[in-house]
Amino acid sequence: AQKITQTQPGMFVQEKEAVTLDCTYDTSDQSYGLFWYKQPSSGEMIFLIYQGSYDEQNATEGRYSLNFQKARKSANLVISASQLGDSAMYFCAMIPRSNDYKLSFGAGTTVTVRA
Amino acid sequence: DAGVIQSPRHEVTEMGQEVTLRCKPISGHDYLFWYRQTMMRGLELLIYFNNNVPIDDSGMPEDRFSAKMPNASFSTLKIQPSEPRDSAVYFCASSLGVDTQYFGPGTRLTVL
Repeated sequence: AQKITQTQPGMFVQEKEAVTLDCTYDTSDQSYGLFWYKQPSSGEMIFLIYQGSYDEQNATEGRYSLNFQKARKSANLVISASQLGDSAMYFCAMIPRSNDYKLSFGAGTTVTVRA
Repeated sequence: DAGVIQSPRHEVTEMGQEVTLRCKPISGHDYLFWYRQTMMRGLELLIYFNNNVPIDDSGMPEDRFSAKMPNASFSTLKIQPSEPRDSAVYFCASSLGVDTQYFGPGTRLTVL
């Protein structure tokens, strides 16, 4: 079974500053995908960024980047230049590339951006 | 392009009633997933389909829950009879293969 750990239940960040959300995972699969989703207070789940386990470069999507350290089984999300609209819950998730296509989620980290 | 569509967005019902949640996946996606989100248990995968065929329903809580996918553009999750502990947000998601799963807006279910 896959396990995703997000150790930060809540974080505060000043507007325009960068914030790093921690995520570690545990899997015996060699091939897997890592994802980050954003859930604002309105409730929808918004896909932010994806990293494949064999990707050599860290994924980036606009202000989002994923700091992937495979040996440490770490996939931290970095949000640069935080905006008030970034206030939300953020979930790290992983899917193995084996026959099991189940997406496992961490418990989430709540980010509050202060003006 | 339309994303995943779910209906209703909110459902309030009384214990013992039948509840049906509906989902329309993104056109062309061959995987469909049903999740439940609660404060206590977080996001849980209930069941998923591949090409309209249920592949894994091990996350379905009990026999009161059932899911169908009669065609590539429609799926239902039914709870009969509903209980207060079923109150949660139910998400439908779809993907193309093992690519990124895209979520619908969710259905917030309250069972009184």
